[in-house]
Amino acid sequence: DVKVTQSSRYLVKRTGEKVFLECVQDMDHENMFWYRQDPGLGLRLIYFSYDVKMKEKGDIPEGYSVSREKKERFSLILESASTNQTSMYLCASSLRGTPYNEQFFGPGTRLTVL
Amino acid sequence: QKEVEQDPGPLSVPEGAIVSLNCTYSNSAFQYFMWYRQYSRKGPELLMYTYSSGNKEDGRFTAQVDKSSKYISLFIRDSQPSDSATYLCASLYGNQFYFGTGTSLTVIP
Repeated sequence: DVKVTQSSRYLVKRTGEKVFLECVQDMDHENMFWYRQDPGLGLRLIYFSYDVKMKEKGDIPEGYSVSREKKERFSLILESASTNQTSMYLCASSLRGTPYNEQFFGPGTRLTVL
Repeated sequence: QKEVEQDPGPLSVPEGAIVSLNCTYSNSAFQYFMWYRQYSRKGPELLMYTYSSGNKEDGRFTAQVDKSSKYISLFIRDSQPSDSATYLCASLYGNQFYFGTGTSLTVIP
């Protein structure tokens, strides 16, 4: 069964802390994505990766960085968390190659920054 | 202007009603269109996808794309309480997905 897992469902951090969000997929997918989801704004792409050690900025990369050292793992890093980064964070993965490939989502991490 | 625009609702209908969910998109080069369903406290999951214009039917769900007007629709027939969720439309261009903001649907028993 297809699976994308995220390290935490709920996370509470303090302003200024460094935060790591981990995502693992077991489908051997090349593409991995990090989104944040906010009411009224929908899903916004933060970063994506087409391959190991590759990363591309999405629409809202400011305040975030990513790491992809292994194909199955894509990490999102908040270098210095701020209250405006309180959000639902969703990881997704998809195959590369054919024109259309389904994007599979993890369950999400609800991050609160105090 | 967002690439994909969606009426956020919320939408509340009685059980058995026909539901119509709609989106518009701005890039005429978009060819793949998707509908995702997201239950509360879960990640989105793919419901249907279509290529180019036309209709696609899957059980009680019909996805429709009108490329001339850049309009995407999802119809749900005989709606059930289990259909209560947020529905997101999306388009794929290159390797990037563009999502609408989602429409919250509640089907009342």
